[in-house]
Amino acid sequence: DAGVTQSPTHLIKTRGQQVTLRCSPISGHKSVSWYQQVLGQGPQFIFQYYEKEERGRGNFPDRFSARQFPNYSSELNVNALLLGDSALYLCASSLRESNQPQHFGDGTRLSIL
Amino acid sequence: DQQVKQNSPSLSVQEGRISILNCDYTNSMFDYFLWYKKYPAEGPTFLISISSIKDKNEDGRFTVFLNKSAKHLSLHIVPSQPGDSAVYFCATHNNAGNMLTFGGGTRLMVKP
Repeated sequence: DAGVTQSPTHLIKTRGQQVTLRCSPISGHKSVSWYQQVLGQGPQFIFQYYEKEERGRGNFPDRFSARQFPNYSSELNVNALLLGDSALYLCASSLRESNQPQHFGDGTRLSIL
Repeated sequence: DQQVKQNSPSLSVQEGRISILNCDYTNSMFDYFLWYKKYPAEGPTFLISISSIKDKNEDGRFTVFLNKSAKHLSLHIVPSQPGDSAVYFCATHNNAGNMLTFGGGTRLMVKP
């Protein structure tokens, strides 16, 4: 069975640009969450989507946005990129909305020059 | 302020011995805790969890202990194997159960 898949695996952008990251959850999983992991720290929660609705938002600026599609895949968009946005972006899926172990993809490594 | 803390950034253990990874939390309302393992270039992998109604949960070589009065949990790996070398994160759900808060991680090195 396929796990959570994310694309692309690596991305290099310059300051001020915009980026879109993609995530396909495990088949049958309806919840998708996004996390940002900066080097040397634990992942930080950005968004959760369940049944195509935003169900949770972490402490990130409005430059960060996301959506979930009818097939439960998801995109994370970041506008006006800053150097500090350089990080590993992780997508996680779970079967239901809450109180479930989340299963992570291998992430997208975003580097801002 | 960090709600979940792993105070040891690294731990080195001999193969076959016990590895003990520690985690402290600040909010007594947290009621579900998880441990994840992360290899380089891979996403975190769920290992084991514990609900606050228990003080111990065991799965093979992995045991998690929860001390609610001390707001402390620990992960025991016995016996440790070189393949266990990875970064270990403890995490907890928020009250809505949909957001994980992670500690900073502990890098475990198991030497052959």
